[in-house]
Amino acid sequence: NAGVTQTPKFRILKIGQSMTLQCAQDMNHNYMYWYRQDPGMGLKLIYYSVGAGITDKGEVPNGYNVSRSTTEDFPLRLELAAPSQTSVYFCASSFDRSYNEQFFGPGTRLTVL
Amino acid sequence: DQQVKQNSPSLSVQEGRISILNCDYTNSMFDYFLWYKKYPAEGPTFLISISSIKDKNEDGRFTVFLNKSAKHLSLHIVPSQPGDSAVYFCAASAHSGYALNFGKGTSLLVTP
Repeated sequence: NAGVTQTPKFRILKIGQSMTLQCAQDMNHNYMYWYRQDPGMGLKLIYYSVGAGITDKGEVPNGYNVSRSTTEDFPLRLELAAPSQTSVYFCASSFDRSYNEQFFGPGTRLTVL
Repeated sequence: DQQVKQNSPSLSVQEGRISILNCDYTNSMFDYFLWYKKYPAEGPTFLISISSIKDKNEDGRFTVFLNKSAKHLSLHIVPSQPGDSAVYFCAASAHSGYALNFGKGTSLLVTP
């Protein structure tokens, strides 16, 4: 089991560029999440999904989009990158809702210049 | 609006001693609490959790205590080992929600 995998590990974007952060899990988890962690801060929820075809906004969704066409994959799209999106992005998955522990990927460090 | 607070950004403990990491929360709807451990350049990994119906949960060297009336929980590590050096995040969730609400983390350094 690879668990939760994320690509790329690092990326530098110019202002206005777009990119997709990839996330995949092989644990057959229904629930998947995207968090961002700014320096010295806790993780904040961007979007989550409760199953294929179902997504919803978290605490900080502005500037991002997601899709969930399969159980395994949950990509995060940045359409017009801004310096405020410089952060470390973590994808996570869980079998059930909040009571279940969430398993995290290794993160993607994104810098927008 | 930080609903989960870890007021100590860092903690240094000698190997073999007890490490106590503290966490406070403000939302009375939270009913499940977790501790995650994070090494540099890695994702958080689950350490231990506690439901609001309990006041203590133990797993090996790690014990979490919950004081609901004070909205406070703590993680005890006994004995502390150098490999425990990491950032520890407290997280809380409500049964009705999906998100984990994280504190800012406490960086633990265990010195030989």
